[in-house]
Amino acid sequence: EPEVTQTPSHQVTQMGQEVILRCVPISNHLYFYWYRQILGQKVEFLVSFYNNEISEKSEIFDDQFSVERPDGSNFTLKIRSTKLEDSAMYFCASSEQPGGRHEQFFGPGTRLTVL
Amino acid sequence: AQSVTQPDIHITVSEGASLELRCNYSYGATPYLFWYVQSPGQGLQLLLKYFSGDTLVQGIKGFEAEFKRSQSSFNLRKPSVHWSDAAEYFCAVSVGSNYKLTFGKGTLLTVNP
Repeated sequence: EPEVTQTPSHQVTQMGQEVILRCVPISNHLYFYWYRQILGQKVEFLVSFYNNEISEKSEIFDDQFSVERPDGSNFTLKIRSTKLEDSAMYFCASSEQPGGRHEQFFGPGTRLTVL
Repeated sequence: AQSVTQPDIHITVSEGASLELRCNYSYGATPYLFWYVQSPGQGLQLLLKYFSGDTLVQGIKGFEAEFKRSQSSFNLRKPSVHWSDAAEYFCAVSVGSNYKLTFGKGTLLTVNP
């Protein structure tokens, strides 16, 4: 069964460093998403992406964040200068069609720890 | 403000007992409603969803949920819990053509033998 994969499973970085989280969405999906979950808090939407541009983003997704689909398979989230409060589990998701009506398939997540 | 509330942070049930996990939402319009489950080390897996029509929806793994417009609720149920159901359960909503899902805080389910 097709699935969304994410690498690495755990990333530890120093405050101020850049990190890139990687995701491989399901191959025939066209819509991609990033969510995050700070420990003990809700899963929060960060950004959605289609046709090489951002479709929607939350207020969390500031200038420190960027997303890219560098090739036909990967979808990345970059944090330019990490802060302590960026420590969280980051989930990638993909869907065939846009909008909340269509199931989003989630990856297992990348746990980011900022020291 | 729009929100999703799961009032129970942690629930413990015995194997074979029935289960109900609560979810309430606060939106102006009827949203699309989802329940996801997350087992340790796994991603979020969709259990079931409600868009319109029959307010009782069936999902995978023997779960069902009932949409009650008057109570703004979408509670998840299972008549007999198995030890493998131990996981964290998330209610989520989406409104209109928005791309994003808005999640509740989750309910952690522990199953006692």
